[in-house]
Amino acid sequence: ETGVTQSPTHLIKTRGQQVTLRCSSQSGHNTVSWYQQALGQGPQFIFQYYREEENGRGNFPPRFSGLQFPNYSSELNVNALELDDSALYLCASCLAGYRNTIYFGEGSWLTVV
Amino acid sequence: RKEVEQDPGPFNVPEGATVAFNCTYSNSASQSFFWYRQDCRKEPKLLMSVYSSGNEDGRFTAQLNRASQYISLLIRDSKLSDSATYLCVASIQYGNKLVFGAGTILRVKS
Repeated sequence: ETGVTQSPTHLIKTRGQQVTLRCSSQSGHNTVSWYQQALGQGPQFIFQYYREEENGRGNFPPRFSGLQFPNYSSELNVNALELDDSALYLCASCLAGYRNTIYFGEGSWLTVV
Repeated sequence: RKEVEQDPGPFNVPEGATVAFNCTYSNSASQSFFWYRQDCRKEPKLLMSVYSSGNEDGRFTAQLNRASQYISLLIRDSKLSDSATYLCVASIQYGNKLVFGAGTILRVKS
């Protein structure tokens, strides 16, 4: 519906492991952002990529890293998983420009045990 | 202090009621404002942008007061389907680093 798809939809990882979450944006969307939403909280900005370069970062440690690819897909990588990393991870994409709509994917639910 | 603050609710209202949500933001450099709706275990979806002059979309009216750094959302004639969490959002630059409030829960009952 939004043209933004995320995978996997749900996953369970063990503390200390690494995870890669993927996002496929609409063709032409040169800006992608990742957000973390813990239970009962609003989404928190992790970082944004514009034309494959990181273009802003929130208060997240370096073990959260990302990539954006020329085909409008992107990845969020989290190393050394901690229990508090359990959350919904949302990808949002848009075509950079004033008043262009931002589209969210359905999210990836990560549980760290 | 959180950058965007909202009353978490829940607001329990009967069908047909009018309900208002308020939100304050602390960063005076914020330029763009939105209301998002989020259903349980779903992604946020844009309800409406908020403009300085105030704007209306059907039963929904949004207001912005830059001097008080205050945003509001008014829902008239509430429907059961309006039950959701409403997220207030501010950003310094349109499309960049959306700052979300924790959300206000609305429950509309018959």
